[in-house]
Amino acid sequence: DQQVKQNSPSLSVQEGRISILNCDYTNSMFDYFLWYKKYPAEGPTFLISISSIKDKNEDGRFTVFLNKSAKHLSLHIVPSQPGDSAVYFCAARSRGGSNYKLTFGKGTLLTVNP
Amino acid sequence: GAGVSQSPSNKVTEKGKDVELRCDPISGHTALYWYRQRLGQGLEFLIYFQGNSAPDKSGLPSDRFSAERTGESVSTLTIQRTQQEDSAVYLCASSLFVAGGQDTDTQYFGPGTRLTVL
Repeated sequence: DQQVKQNSPSLSVQEGRISILNCDYTNSMFDYFLWYKKYPAEGPTFLISISSIKDKNEDGRFTVFLNKSAKHLSLHIVPSQPGDSAVYFCAARSRGGSNYKLTFGKGTLLTVNP
Repeated sequence: GAGVSQSPSNKVTEKGKDVELRCDPISGHTALYWYRQRLGQGLEFLIYFQGNSAPDKSGLPSDRFSAERTGESVSTLTIQRTQQEDSAVYLCASSLFVAGGQDTDTQYFGPGTRLTVL
């Protein structure tokens, strides 16, 4: 049972345009969400996060939107740059005793074309 | 400062052999995590260490898997009698401490060990 779903395995956008990566979750106990970026042969690196008490968090070119009623979040990258090409993982954490555990989606490969 | 390091970066072994994977967390990070990423899948939680507390081993897939941590430093993940389905990238992460929704909870990942069981 996949609790965090990234239904698009890949996404291709043109440099300068907006990239939108989507993530859906099923566990209503999740209250903190993170996006990680992964280059080949490297570990994932933290990008941006959002708490369930917010619906938007922005950091430079990166914005994460959370729609709790739809159990959906999205990562917007504007403007997209070729260096953004990587696999993006959505992850979620639940409140409660084991709140250190991250549940990851399968990732979306973003390719930004020059 | 130095990030999380893991060794070896690649390991090829024969079915039935034991393997040991090593993780050096960021200095001062009290929490350490092991994850596994199978081909085409997301990261799967395996085990968690926090200070002197008993580790959370709930993600270990079988009793062939075990992990140890020496104080708040190095951790080793051991897989006994490896099987082909153990082939994956094994990722280690560390964080400063555990608290809900704090930046200091951010898990910093190592580059992983790619394990191939023939």
